[in-house]
Amino acid sequence: GAVVSQHPSWVICKSGTSVKIECRSLDFQATTMFWYRQFPKQSLMLMATSNEGSKATYEQGVEKDKFLINHASLTLSTLTVTSAHPEDSSFYICSATGLLDYSNQPQHFGDGTRLSIL
Amino acid sequence: GENVEQHPSTLSVQEGDSAVIKCTYSDSASNYFPWYKQELGKRPQLIIDIRSNVGEKKDQRIAVTLNKTAKHFSLHITETQPEDSAVYFCAASGYSTLTFGKGTMLLVSP
Repeated sequence: GAVVSQHPSWVICKSGTSVKIECRSLDFQATTMFWYRQFPKQSLMLMATSNEGSKATYEQGVEKDKFLINHASLTLSTLTVTSAHPEDSSFYICSATGLLDYSNQPQHFGDGTRLSIL
Repeated sequence: GENVEQHPSTLSVQEGDSAVIKCTYSDSASNYFPWYKQELGKRPQLIIDIRSNVGEKKDQRIAVTLNKTAKHFSLHITETQPEDSAVYFCAASGYSTLTFGKGTMLLVSP
């Protein structure tokens, strides 16, 4: 149980393109979803937390106008990287939990999306 | 906010040896401590977790210990196998989101 699906797994696109990444919970209702960014040989850095039906909470230093997050249903959250540039190239991973009180509950991760901006 | 320190950054062991990875945290309100294993290019996978009302938890070859007074917790892997080779992340959370350590690359040589 607790499967999270993330698509696409790999994206290569030109600078200036907007890229949408989807994160779906397949067998549970994900009341809270998280988006992380991971650079090579580094740890997971939380970008934002989103609850279904409300605006995402962004971490300090993350541009909300550049990284648009939508959590319109209990099984789907999307991250759109707008006008992507080479410095946005990274591994983006979503995770989800089925509880509003996520503070002491496991997060279930998607497979990640490797984004390469040329 | 929470700060999690993880050591060592790299750990090389021979197959069959034990491996220990240690983490410290700063927020005394943290009460949940998961450990994730991440293979190259893949998703982090939860391997074990512990909550603050427990001092130790074991699952086959993997165990985690927690010392709330000292604010540190450790991952112990016994009888290591080559397939244990991966990056391991500790994390901590209290009333907020998970904060991850910087990771430990574990290399198990046959």
